[in-house]
Amino acid sequence: TQLLEQSPQFLSIQEGENLTVYCNSSSVFSSLQWYRQEPGEGPVLLVTVVTGGEVKKLKRLTFQFGDARKDSSLHITAAQPGDTGLYLCAGPYNTNAGKSTFGDGTTLTVKP
Amino acid sequence: DAEITQSPRHKITETGRQVTLACHQTWNHNNMFWYRQDLGHGLRLIHYSYGVQDTNKGEVSDGYSVSRSNTEDLPLTLESAASSQTSVYFCASSRSLAGGTYSSYNEQFFGPGTRLTVL
Repeated sequence: TQLLEQSPQFLSIQEGENLTVYCNSSSVFSSLQWYRQEPGEGPVLLVTVVTGGEVKKLKRLTFQFGDARKDSSLHITAAQPGDTGLYLCAGPYNTNAGKSTFGDGTTLTVKP
Repeated sequence: DAEITQSPRHKITETGRQVTLACHQTWNHNNMFWYRQDLGHGLRLIHYSYGVQDTNKGEVSDGYSVSRSNTEDLPLTLESAASSQTSVYFCASSRSLAGGTYSSYNEQFFGPGTRLTVL
């Protein structure tokens, strides 16, 4: 079973601080997705990273895929209260690429 | 705009009753999924379907069933609700490439969720 481990599990910071959350695996993934889930809603896709070493930016969010395609990170610059939510990483199963495995997520709270 | 909807959004039922949760998507996606989300367990896959008349068991399928009679809908049925099935349920869909090849990206679009309480 391919597992995705996310860290930290919980993160509480003040508005304006920077942060990084991680998504790690011992398995190689063809791609990884990052989702954000706000309370009472379903996860929403933020980005997909495909190439080893790839860096993608989405406003203040920077996503990186590890060179070996086993890990990924999400860095948020100058966090805002609107960034509060559960951040999930996910990737396709190698043996059944139609479905994905999800990490347990990082719960981020940004205090004003 | 294309969307994925779930109904009801909230449901309270009693132990032993049959419950059906609806999921409807207008993305015209072949792939559809049901997950449950509990504190400490993240998203766990219950059942999934790659097309009409196709259904497959996920990692926590006991006590649940699905049927796929058209592209748009994948209802989830709890045959005899148990308190352990109290959870938030999410439906999702994703596209597949022509010829049935899976997109290696497998980007999923989620519904808003159904909060189910079994008393």
